[in-house]
Amino acid sequence: AQTVTQSQPEMSVQEAETVTLSCTYDTSENNYYLFWYKQPPSRQMILVIRQEAYKQQNATENRFSVNFQKAAKSFSLKISDSQLGDTAMYFCAFNPYNQGGKLIFGQGTELSVKP
Amino acid sequence: GAGVSQTPSNKVTEKGKYVELRCDPISGHTALYWYRQSLGQGPEFLIYFQGTGAADDSGLPNDRFFAVRPEGSVSTLKIQRTERGDSAMYLCASRVSSMNTEAFFGQGTRLTVV
Repeated sequence: AQTVTQSQPEMSVQEAETVTLSCTYDTSENNYYLFWYKQPPSRQMILVIRQEAYKQQNATENRFSVNFQKAAKSFSLKISDSQLGDTAMYFCAFNPYNQGGKLIFGQGTELSVKP
Repeated sequence: GAGVSQTPSNKVTEKGKYVELRCDPISGHTALYWYRQSLGQGPEFLIYFQGTGAADDSGLPNDRFFAVRPEGSVSTLKIQRTERGDSAMYLCASRVSSMNTEAFFGQGTRLTVV
């Protein structure tokens, strides 16, 4: 079975500081995508960043970057210069190439950015 | 529309009743997904449509749950004989195609069965 594990139910960070959210996954697939989604209190799930498994280079989107370790099946999210608007639930998600685009989500990490 | 629209935003129903949840995807998106998110958990896959057909319904928990997408656009998730355990957020997402492009989510329908 393919699973995604986020071992940090809650995290907090001071505004302007850096925080890293952890994610591990289990799969026998070789080709897949990994995503981080943000779900603020407004409920709408928003894509933060994505990584193709065949790419060795870690993805970066402005203040958000990932550390993708394929052999270790680890996919952590680093948020630099944290802002109050980053407060949200963050979900790691796994998407095998051959399963029609369905996402397998972790349990989520609730991030609080404190002023 | 500009985004994925789900109606109603909130639905309260009595145990045993029938409910329908609607999803209007982004225009032109051929792939549509339903997920269920229990409180404090990540979303769990229910069913996926490519066009009008259900390509994968392996996540539907039992035969009380059914979904349709008759014209390849709007989808309706139908739940018969609702139970208190069905209470959850139901999320809909759409993609241009199923080939691993970005999924866009609606704001969800919060279903409460009393």
